Amino acid sequence: NAGVTQTPKFRVLKTGQSMTLLCAQDMNHEYMYWYRQDPGMGLRLIHYSVGEGTTAKGEVPDGYNVSRLKKQNFLLGLESAAPSQTSVYFCASSFSSFYTQYFGPGTRLTVL
Amino acid sequence: GQQVMQIPQYQHVQEGEDFTTYCNSSTTLSNIQWYKQRPGGHPVFLIQLVKSGEVKKQKRLTFQFGEAKKNSSLHITATQTTDVGTYFCAVGPGDGTNAGKSTFGDGTTLTVKP
Repeated sequence: NAGVTQTPKFRVLKTGQSMTLLCAQDMNHEYMYWYRQDPGMGLRLIHYSVGEGTTAKGEVPDGYNVSRLKKQNFLLGLESAAPSQTSVYFCASSFSSFYTQYFGPGTRLTVL
Repeated sequence: GQQVMQIPQYQHVQEGEDFTTYCNSSTTLSNIQWYKQRPGGHPVFLIQLVKSGEVKKQKRLTFQFGEAKKNSSLHITATQTTDVGTYFCAVGPGDGTNAGKSTFGDGTTLTVKP
């Protein structure tokens, strides 16, 4: 049981480049989440999904897109990266609403 | 959206001293969860509180949910160096809206001097 995995672990982008972060979970969870964590600001919800084929906006969705084509995968896309998107990105999953969230190890993204 | 304030932001203690962090909301909560994040790591679930006035213990950690379900506290007795990290609360709204959208506090970062 790998739990929640994220790829890549680290990435450096130039302004304007695009990339996709992949999150995978093997716990058959319905809910999946993408957060960003900046120093001193806690975890801010970017987008989330309550089931395969669904997505919804979180607190800070601008500049990001997501897709949940398969239940076990949740993709986060940056179409045109900006320095303000430099952050650590965490994916999480849970069985249902307000159940325990299991977090992945994070992706550290730097945009130059 | 849901607002939650966590205090203090930082706490430095001598090993063996006690530590408390508080999570406060202006609205009634359906539940509250506590997570711990070690330096360089990812948040890990500690506990969930659901009932008004609920108190739960995990070894040296005591978690409490306020009677009005608007605040919560995490208390660590006799801190150890293994307690270092950032402690987050995560709250769900009490009215059932925005199902699935927990809101995290900004966390309290604990450092322990040996």
